[in-house]
Amino acid sequence: DSGVTQTPKHLITATGQRVTLRCSPRSGDLSVYWYQQSLDQGLQFLIQYYNGEERAKGNILERFSAQQFPDLHSELNLSSLELGDSALYFCASSVADGYTDTQYFGPGTRLTVL
Amino acid sequence: AQKVTQAQTEISVVEKEDVTLDCVYETRDTTYYLFWYKQPPSGELVFLIRRNSFDEQNEISGRYSWNFQKSTSSFNFTITASQVVDSAVYFCALRNRDDKIIFGKGTRLHILP
Repeated sequence: DSGVTQTPKHLITATGQRVTLRCSPRSGDLSVYWYQQSLDQGLQFLIQYYNGEERAKGNILERFSAQQFPDLHSELNLSSLELGDSALYFCASSVADGYTDTQYFGPGTRLTVL
Repeated sequence: AQKVTQAQTEISVVEKEDVTLDCVYETRDTTYYLFWYKQPPSGELVFLIRRNSFDEQNEISGRYSWNFQKSTSSFNFTITASQVVDSAVYFCALRNRDDKIIFGKGTRLHILP
């Protein structure tokens, strides 16, 4: 158990809908990262937050947004969902900014868009 | 352009053999970070190692070792005396000054008993 929790584990929804994925980092970790893994695109980095501020942005679509709250948990919001958004979404956390520290991954949320 | 290439899509070896997973990267930055991750059949992701561009020392951790060579833009991963539990997909990744993290497509490793 990495100490990173993600909810829900599974999510099934329809095209056009909006969903929110939640991530709770390990206690004391300031950074949260979001990744998407799909058969088509492979593993992709979406976004990183560090102590409440956006730190780095990867291939995150405009339909997607994220935030990190004062208690350091993070949410990834996916809207106007398309079939291609079906994927495994991982959250990870690290103590600092990710350059000198280890990332710990949550178990992932599997999103299925029908 | 920034790119990570893992040319080996799938590798099968017999248990106890040594195996090397290749990773070649492209970047224009002089400061960058390289990573390896493991994804076992259970699906979780496990962070294995991070190396910055100024540290070319090879690293050994138990049966795992990493060979970083800037001259060939490679960061290869070797498992010595492989075990069935090493069966997984292994990803190499690059992080540049712009802070984006770019992954290779992964190498699926099968360790046969």
